Amino acid sequence: GNSVTQMEGPVTLSEEAFLTINCTYTATGYPSLFWYVQYPGEGLQLLLKATKADDKGSNKGFEATYRKETTSFHLEKGSVQVSDSAVYFCALIDVNRDDKIIFGKGTRLHILP
Amino acid sequence: EAEVAQSPRYKITEKSQAVAFWCDPISGHATLYWYRQILGQGPELLVQFQDESVVDDSQLPKDRFSAERLKGVDSTLKIQPAELGDSAMYLCASSLVVGLDTGELFFGEGSRLTVL
Repeated sequence: GNSVTQMEGPVTLSEEAFLTINCTYTATGYPSLFWYVQYPGEGLQLLLKATKADDKGSNKGFEATYRKETTSFHLEKGSVQVSDSAVYFCALIDVNRDDKIIFGKGTRLHILP
Repeated sequence: EAEVAQSPRYKITEKSQAVAFWCDPISGHATLYWYRQILGQGPELLVQFQDESVVDDSQLPKDRFSAERLKGVDSTLKIQPAELGDSAMYLCASSLVVGLDTGELFFGEGSRLTVL
């Protein structure tokens, strides 16, 4: 079945550091890929998405590129801020299979001032 | 800005008791989801509604869990009897369209359940 694997946290970085959170997926079809973010005390919200191979999703300085050859969708940001501290979830939906959205386990990010 | 409303935010109960969670999705969103999020894990789908119909409840423990969305708007998730392993965050989400590469779910703040 479909699945998402992301790097375990917590990830702790200093402000202005470069961020990478790894995400790989397994899917039988051609999924769309997403990153959701959960700030403390809030619900999950969509950060960015990509719907086909080589697409790049971007938002709030974050980027992720859909890599079909490596089945990856790594999240990156060039210079993190304290306000980026949150839990990040990689997710996929296989529209041609069952429309079920599958989430990874989440990666907690701490940014130190 | 429209939001998904959930209540209660926190619920503490003893095992074998009944609990219920309520969700009001964003107006006009036909698809509603209930997810369970165990600490340190990602959300796992319990049930998905399209309007008032259940389209996926394959992961819902039907011996103790039930969900309804009678008028295709708000929804209730019930657990009876609650067990210790049910302690988790219960998340409600809604979406305007599913199956068209949209994939954007709008989540409520969740209901945290602690079973003693």
